[in-house]
Amino acid sequence: GAVVSQHPSRVICKSGTSVKIECRSLDFQATTMFWYRQFPKQSLMLMATSNEGSKATYEQGVEKDKFLINHASLTLSTLTVTSAHPEDSSFYICSARDMRGRGDTQYFGPGTRLTVL
Amino acid sequence: GQQLNQSPQSMFIQEGEDVSMNCTSSSIFNTWLWYKQDPGEGPVLLIALYKAGELTSNGRLTAQFGITRKDSFLNISASIPSDVGIYFCAGLDQTGANNLFFGTGTRLTVIP
Repeated sequence: GAVVSQHPSRVICKSGTSVKIECRSLDFQATTMFWYRQFPKQSLMLMATSNEGSKATYEQGVEKDKFLINHASLTLSTLTVTSAHPEDSSFYICSARDMRGRGDTQYFGPGTRLTVL
Repeated sequence: GQQLNQSPQSMFIQEGEDVSMNCTSSSIFNTWLWYKQDPGEGPVLLIALYKAGELTSNGRLTAQFGITRKDSFLNISASIPSDVGIYFCAGLDQTGANNLFFGTGTRLTVIP
């Protein structure tokens, strides 16, 4: 399989601060990574598509100035939640696109639990 | 975005029983993926299906890619307590953005 890591796994911050979450593909290169958020007992909601070397593509309703995405290398994408507020508290999960096998697959990181006080 | 219809929403079964869940869509997908998510963790890929009609097994799990390319099912045979979790189907849209569209999830509880 393929391994995707996320760091940190859990973060608690004060309202108004910025938080950076890292997503790494450990054993393969990923030109495309995705960022999702998940509320309790709900499915995953795609926030944005992160492309290596170019600007991210944001889903409708997701503020690009609030959720900054940088995909500077083939194994690392970062999501920065700027000026976080309590309503940004959620479970953030990244995935990396793997094209090596029979077809197109996405492998997910373990997620980051963000709590904004 | 688009969401797939997944059923049942939840299941309570006895250990040893077989489980079946399915996913339907109004759109055609070229790839169907099945994931399992444990509490506080990211989804883990169980089975990937790339061809209409394909039937693929992974241990006690079997999944099929529907002929119409609008549905898929996942079967778990002889369930065990560690099968507990939420199972998501996902269809991959390869027409443009290569986005994954998720089902609503099936919450499985296995009673020892």
